Formats: sequence, C-alpha cells, structure tokens
Amino acid sequence: SQQGEEDPQALSIQEGENATMNCSYKTSINNLQWYRQNSGRGLVHLILIRSNEREKHSGRLRVTLDTSKKSSSLLITASRAADTASYFCATGGGSNYKLTFGKGTLLTVNP
Amino acid sequence: NAGVMQNPRHLVRRRGQEARLRCSPMKGHSHVYWYRQLPEEGLKFMVYLQKENIIDESGMPKERFSAEFPKEGPSILRIQQVVRGDSAAYFCASSPAKDNPFEKLFFGSGTQLSVL
Repeated sequence: SQQGEEDPQALSIQEGENATMNCSYKTSINNLQWYRQNSGRGLVHLILIRSNEREKHSGRLRVTLDTSKKSSSLLITASRAADTASYFCATGGGSNYKLTFGKGTLLTVNP
Repeated sequence: NAGVMQNPRHLVRRRGQEARLRCSPMKGHSHVYWYRQLPEEGLKFMVYLQKENIIDESGMPKERFSAEFPKEGPSILRIQQVVRGDSAAYFCASSPAKDNPFEKLFFGSGTQLSVL
C-alpha cells in the first residue's frame, strides 16, 4: 500500500503563525499531492510534487519531499483563519491512478 | 465552467432500500472516480470509469455496489439493499483526458448517505 499518513492528527495555531504538516508513505511513488477539505465539502487540489523534485512553492505553501525517508511536509506560512480545514496527502499518479489518501491533519487557525 | 456536480447532497435511506448517487463531471472531463470517506478517515478509492467503460472497480465491494458512466448523462453509483455500514460521504472526482489525467483530480462536494 502506498498509503500516506499525516502527522499531527490535529494542529491548532494563532493567525499569522506558520503551520507544518507531515506525511509519510510506504512504497515508491511517482508524485505526491496535497489536498485541502473544508468541513462538509469536497477536496481541493493544492499542490503536486514529483518524485524527482525536492521542494516546491505555491503562494504561501511550501512542500518538500524526501524520497529516501518516504516523507513530505506541507508548510503554510502566515496562516489565516480561512486556512482552517483538513489537509490530506495523496500518493499515486502516473500509471497508478488510484490516489491513496491519508487520514488528514485537522488545522485550526484561531483569529 | 461549473465544477463537479453531485446530487443529492444528503440522502437518507432505510436498511434494504436502494441508494442512487449522481455525478456530473466538469465539462471536458472524461475520467470519473468515486471515493468513499468514513468519519475521521481519508478517502478510499472505489471505482474509476471512462465513458461507457469501467476501468477499475477494485475498491468497490463485490456485492450490492455498481457504477456506470453512460455515453450521455451523469455517472451513477448505485448501492442496493443498503446497510448501516454504508453510511458515509461519497465523493466523485473527475479529470481531463489530456496530459496526465491522474495528476490532479477535481472533486465534487459529495453526497452524505445516512442509512437508518
């Protein structure tokens, strides 16, 4: 299984602080993706990092990938209350179309 | 360009009834995926379809569950003789045929199925 597992399960911070979430997986991957889910809604794709990349930025998001440790991290800088959501990593892509999601990290940003 | 549309948003069924969940992919998307999410869990892959073809249904229970994506109309996930354990949020996602279709999925808002 390529299941990703996020850590921590829940994270509570103040507005303006940075939030870091981690994801570990078990087998080789083609890419790793991060999604956000607001309560009661579908998932929204945030960013994709390929297995040959080590770091990627998109706005206030920074994703790193360490294939030797089979882990990834998602950093949200200068967090806002609107960032409150669950964040999931998903592995797969390429010839493996069955994205495998972890259980997610519930991020709460307090105003 | 409307997103992935799922209906109904909420569906209540009694044990033994049938549940039909509908999904209209984004315009121009020909790949449809169904996922199930239990409380406090991540999404679990159920089935992958293209127009008129089931590509992979390995994540779907062998009995009572079926899916289709006809040439015309939405994709349908059908659950016959529902049981309480079927209660979950069911999400549909779609992706375009061009480039690598599996690198970014667009999700609907889901159907929350409650079985009484």
